[in-house]
Amino acid sequence: AQSVTQPDIHITVSEGASLELRCNYSYGATPYLFWYVQSPGQGLQLLLKYFSGDTLVQGIKGFEAEFKRSQSSFNLRKPSVHWSDAAEYFCAVGGGNTGKLIFGQGTTLQVKP
Amino acid sequence: KAGVTQTPRYLIKTRGQQVTLSCSPISGHRSVSWYQQTPGQGLQFLFEYFSETQRNKGNFPGRFSGRQFSNSRSEMNVSTLELGDSALYLCASSFANEQFFGPGTRLTVL
Repeated sequence: AQSVTQPDIHITVSEGASLELRCNYSYGATPYLFWYVQSPGQGLQLLLKYFSGDTLVQGIKGFEAEFKRSQSSFNLRKPSVHWSDAAEYFCAVGGGNTGKLIFGQGTTLQVKP
Repeated sequence: KAGVTQTPRYLIKTRGQQVTLSCSPISGHRSVSWYQQTPGQGLQFLFEYFSETQRNKGNFPGRFSGRQFSNSRSEMNVSTLELGDSALYLCASSFANEQFFGPGTRLTVL
């Protein structure tokens, strides 16, 4: 079955601290992996994506993610969190030439001053 | 380029009514996907249209339908609304396997 698991529903970090959001996926074919961020009442903004090649991908706003095929994981990281990073983060998986994405349940990030 | 636009942004309907939501993709994008977002079920794929044809379909009842026009604009329709249809409906247009989302339509069913 195709699925995405984000084990952490809610995470709180202090401003300036590092961040890692976990994502595990199950997908039969070659996965295309994505991280999106959603602020309250807004749509989804793409942070970064992995299709192939270098397993460490850089995204916008200082985020990066590492694809580990052996662990079926695609964890999101940021070395120093800013208060404006508080939002909900979604990991998603899809295949090539398909408009269907499977999303995880999301992780809500709270940033303490 | 202008982003994905969705109209209306907010909608209030009563049970049993039907509703039509509209999505205009980014210029040049031929694929449009629809998602339902609820607190309980999260983000769930409804369907995808490509060049006016439904290419993928999620696991939703037949009350949920969609279509795409020759200019790639898409509409989704929900008939016989139920309380559980209250959700944020997101549209995304795709290019090169990357999806760009609109701001969504917030549907409230009373």
